[in-house]
Amino acid sequence: QSVLTQPPSVSAAPGQKVTISCSGSSSNIGNNYVSWYQQLPGTAPKLLIYDNNKRPSGIPDRFSGSKSGTSATLGITGLQTGDEADYYCGTCDSSLSAGVFGGGTKLTVL
Amino acid sequence: QVQLVESGGGVVQPGRSLRLSCAASGFTFSGFGMHWVRQAPGKGLEWVAVIWYDGSKRYYADSVKGRFTISRDDPKNTLYLQMNSLRAEDTAVYYCARDGGRGGYFFFDYWGQGTLVTVSS
Repeated sequence: QSVLTQPPSVSAAPGQKVTISCSGSSSNIGNNYVSWYQQLPGTAPKLLIYDNNKRPSGIPDRFSGSKSGTSATLGITGLQTGDEADYYCGTCDSSLSAGVFGGGTKLTVL
Repeated sequence: QVQLVESGGGVVQPGRSLRLSCAASGFTFSGFGMHWVRQAPGKGLEWVAVIWYDGSKRYYADSVKGRFTISRDDPKNTLYLQMNSLRAEDTAVYYCARDGGRGGYFFFDYWGQGTLVTVSS
């Protein structure tokens, strides 16, 4: 049972937009920055978004992040088949003094 | 370029110990906090431990507290995870990951390729 809650799966057609939600509490998302990771099959995770909405260099602006209260959202526009992957949100939980992740969301590009 | 290379994984019996290493290169290792994150087969990511850039703070997931110890050797640019009293539920791919800052940022901007630990009799 993950501290952060994500939908198990989402799907959309190529070229469309999809959003992935991440729900937490005041001890984690509510008072800390959120990051997002993409994990392609058989590979290590890759940072997509940090500090709620910042993209590391090399990450296209098709990927965006936002946060409101105790929830965060990852948006992906112009979907490509290469975007098929598992996506995870993460943050720090101040009451646990620990890092926490969502359970992951599998994106299918139909 | 930043590189993180884990080693030390393998098959180990329940109750035994194992030490993982993560060799870092391409950045000033002593300036960054470092984490271990694991992923059980077919499961999601689980944060394991963090050590501050100067070793002054270390935090652990409840699931490993008292059994695992994170440490670092800055002259060798190497991160370690000493795992004792291993259990079947510790079976996972273990990744080392660099913190976005000195340790308290809790976002992971670079990851290693992972090393598989299998705990089985």
